[in-house]
Amino acid sequence: EVQLVESGGGLVQPGRSLRLSCAASGFTFDDYAMHWVRQAPGKGLEWVSGISWNSGSIGYADSVKGRFTISRDNAKNSLYLQMNSLRAEDTALYYCAKDLFLEWRSPGAVDYWGQGTLVTVSS
Amino acid sequence: EIVLTQSPATLSLSPGERATLSCRASQSVSSYLAWYQQKPGQAPRLLIYDASNRATGIPARFSGSGSGTDFTLTISSLEPEDFAVYYCQQRSSGVTFGPGTKVDIK
Repeated sequence: EVQLVESGGGLVQPGRSLRLSCAASGFTFDDYAMHWVRQAPGKGLEWVSGISWNSGSIGYADSVKGRFTISRDNAKNSLYLQMNSLRAEDTALYYCAKDLFLEWRSPGAVDYWGQGTLVTVSS
Repeated sequence: EIVLTQSPATLSLSPGERATLSCRASQSVSSYLAWYQQKPGQAPRLLIYDASNRATGIPARFSGSGSGTDFTLTISSLEPEDFAVYYCQQRSSGVTFGPGTKVDIK
C-alpha cells in the first residue's frame, strides 16, 4: 500500500524558514517523480514544485520560485521542501504527492497523495 | 503561465443524471491534462490522466475527452458519492490547476 506521510508543518513568522519532509513507503520510490501541492484554507489546489525520479529535472510555481527548494533522498525514500522567506500567502495545507511516471511534467499525473501538513505563516 | 478555466463553477444535478464539466486552457496543452476529484476533508483523487486515460480503480462512468485547449470530464450517471469538487490540471508547460467545479445535489 502506498503511504506518504508529511511532517514539519507548523506556525511560523513571516520571513522565517521551514522544512517539510515526506516519508514514502509501499512503492519503489526512485521509480517515480514527486510533487508538493498546497491548498489554502477553503481554496483550490496549487501546484508548488515537482522533481524527477533522479532529481535531474525540477520545477517550481512562479509564486515560490527563488524561495522554495525541493529535494529528494532516494536512499531514505524521502522528499523535502525547504521554504524560506515565508509569507502570509504561503499559509496552506501542503500535500506530498507521487507521480505516475519518472518525470513531473508532460505525460502523467499525480496518483497518490498524503494527508498533508499545515503551514501557517503569521506574526 | 498556462491558465485553466473551468465551467460551470457549480453544477447542480440529481443522482442518475449526466454531468458534463469543461476545462479550457489559455494555450494548447496537447493531451497533457488530468482530472481530480476532491471531497471535503480529503486529499484529491486522480480520475483521468492524459485527457482520456482512466486511472486505476476509477469506475467506467467517468470519462475524459479533448485535446489542445478544450477538455471535458463526463460522469455518465451520477452516484451519491460523486458529489464533490473536480479540478483539471495541465502539465504541458509547468503545472497548473483550474479553479474547480463543484458538483452538488439539486
